[in-house]
Amino acid sequence: KAGVTQTPRYLIKTRGQQVTLSCSPISGHRSVSWYQQTPGQGLQFLFEYFSETQRNKGNFPGRFSGRQFSNSRSEMNVSTLELGDSALYLCASSAGRATNEKLFFGSGTQLSVL
Amino acid sequence: DQQVKQNSPSLSVQEGRISILNCDYTNSMFDYFLWYKKYPAEGPTFLISISSIKDKNEDGRFTVFLNKSAKHLSLHIVPSQPGDSAVYFCAASDQEYGNKLVFGAGTILRVKS
Repeated sequence: KAGVTQTPRYLIKTRGQQVTLSCSPISGHRSVSWYQQTPGQGLQFLFEYFSETQRNKGNFPGRFSGRQFSNSRSEMNVSTLELGDSALYLCASSAGRATNEKLFFGSGTQLSVL
Repeated sequence: DQQVKQNSPSLSVQEGRISILNCDYTNSMFDYFLWYKKYPAEGPTFLISISSIKDKNEDGRFTVFLNKSAKHLSLHIVPSQPGDSAVYFCAASDQEYGNKLVFGAGTILRVKS
């Protein structure tokens, strides 16, 4: 079974631009969560989508948005990029049928904002 | 406001000895705790978890202990192996928010051979 796939692997953008990251979950998984990892901050929860609906949301500004498609693939968008948005963005999937499920993470997209 | 804290940024241990990684939390609503391991250029992988109704969970060389009164959990790795060298993240969740995990900042474990 293929794991969680994130594209692209690396991205370089400049301040003010916008960016879209993509995540394909494990086949059969309906929940997709997004996390931001910065040095010294651990992973911070952005949002979770289940069956095309946002089920949970973290404490990030409205510049961060996401969506999920009918095939469970998810995209995350960051508009008006700031230098502080430079981070590793991780996507995780799970079956979504219960709470406290094991999350399977992708390798992430490393975003650098110049 | 860091609800999950890993106060040791790094830990160095000799191969064959015990590694103990610690984690403290402040939110008494947390009822499920997990440990993830992360190698460079890879995503975190699930290691072991524990529910708040237990105080210990064991899986091979890995044991997690939970002390609810102290809001403290620890991960023991016995014996430590060089392949265990990685970043270890402690995470917590509460039933209401399900898959929304709150992570600590991570501890870099180095196992020397």
